[in-house]
Amino acid sequence: DTEVTQTPKHLVMGMTNKKSLKCEQHMGHRAMYWYKQKAKKPPELMFVYSYEKLSINESVPSRFSPECPNSSLLNLHLHALQPEDSALYLCASSQVRDRGQPQHFGDGTRLSIL
Amino acid sequence: GDSVTQMEGPVTLSEEAFLTINCTYTATGYPSLFWYVQYPGEGLQLLLKATKADDKGSNKGFEATYRKETTSFHLEKGSVQVSDSAVYFCALSDYGQNFVFGPGTRLSVLP
Repeated sequence: DTEVTQTPKHLVMGMTNKKSLKCEQHMGHRAMYWYKQKAKKPPELMFVYSYEKLSINESVPSRFSPECPNSSLLNLHLHALQPEDSALYLCASSQVRDRGQPQHFGDGTRLSIL
Repeated sequence: GDSVTQMEGPVTLSEEAFLTINCTYTATGYPSLFWYVQYPGEGLQLLLKATKADDKGSNKGFEATYRKETTSFHLEKGSVQVSDSAVYFCALSDYGQNFVFGPGTRLSVLP
């Protein structure tokens, strides 16, 4: 069982739809991350929140919009996605952003764009 | 920039065989090093970590030692099981940097 919970586990959407991915952790961590993982590849960092403030946006297209409503929750709002956006989206958290702190991952949302 | 290199595999072993997955890194600073495992259909799980030279991380029979002189963090297990079949990622985290993951090594253990 992971301590980072992601919903939904699977999502199929059309290119004109709007949907949101949700991530929740109750470990008191103050850094949260969104990654995108394509098949047989390592995770690619998309966004980093530190103390509920966006600190890194790795040149992600504006059709992905992150939100951190509080220290336990992280959302990723999706709009007008492209077929190449189909991937596993992973959320992670760490105690703080520091070199010695491991990141704890959820099981991900598998997203398919029709 | 920082980078991680690891054998991509796939690595296929028989049950109870000895496992080594090589990992080497390039970093400008003094990074922490991690091994993560990803089972099919799941996220990444932290397997072990080391934060300074000569530290040995260990968990579930897996071990890795932080070797600064060879910039390596090789993963070893004395006797693998079918349940160890997964993808293994070596990663580093440096001051002011994000995680850098290696390409991953797919391990298949046959009964």
